[in-house]
Amino acid sequence: GQQLNQSPQSMFIQEGEDVSMNCTSSSIFNTWLWYKQDPGEGPVLLIALYKAGELTSNGRLTAQFGITRKDSFLNISASIPSDVGIYFCAGSNYGGSQGNLIFGKGTKLSVKP
Amino acid sequence: DTEVTQTPKHLVMGMTNKKSLKCEQHMGHRAMYWYKQKAKKPPELMFVYSYEKLSINESVPSRFSPECPNSSLLNLHLHALQPEDSALYLCASSQDRKQSNSPLHFGNGTRLTVT
Repeated sequence: GQQLNQSPQSMFIQEGEDVSMNCTSSSIFNTWLWYKQDPGEGPVLLIALYKAGELTSNGRLTAQFGITRKDSFLNISASIPSDVGIYFCAGSNYGGSQGNLIFGKGTKLSVKP
Repeated sequence: DTEVTQTPKHLVMGMTNKKSLKCEQHMGHRAMYWYKQKAKKPPELMFVYSYEKLSINESVPSRFSPECPNSSLLNLHLHALQPEDSALYLCASSQDRKQSNSPLHFGNGTRLTVT
């Protein structure tokens, strides 16, 4: 089946540093989503991408849908302590439906004040 | 605050118990989902309802029984669970399962422990 390779698995950074994480797939997706999950809570949607090459920002977050449709990255600029959490990428290509999201394994972000 | 509400937040049950998880959304979404998430793992799809009809069952054991009473509510009935079923159970909804620009919105989950 389809799999997403998300990297890095974990990151330990200093407050104020920029962060970059990415997901790659061996097959094409037509939707990429990025979620953040805090302990004891459900995943929260950060950015949704629907077109190859699309670059979208949400505050200090920027994500891009790779031109090959097989990858996506998420950047966080000037990290702050509340950025701590697990970030998941998710892709879908089932007729445009997102009922068959494929999740990456997550990137655990730790920010040192 | 999430717009998908799940109750209870925590549940401890024995292997012979029958319990139900509940999920509610008032965003007018017509697709609702159950996911299971083990610690340090991504969510795994269990069931999908579209317009109150079961669309996807990801080969989930029959001890998990979903129900969609109306477009705003989604239940998951539990019976004769095993300790390995302990996990965070997440409900999600989206505007329409067939629309590509209809992202999933998750609730905060029910933390289930089976003893």
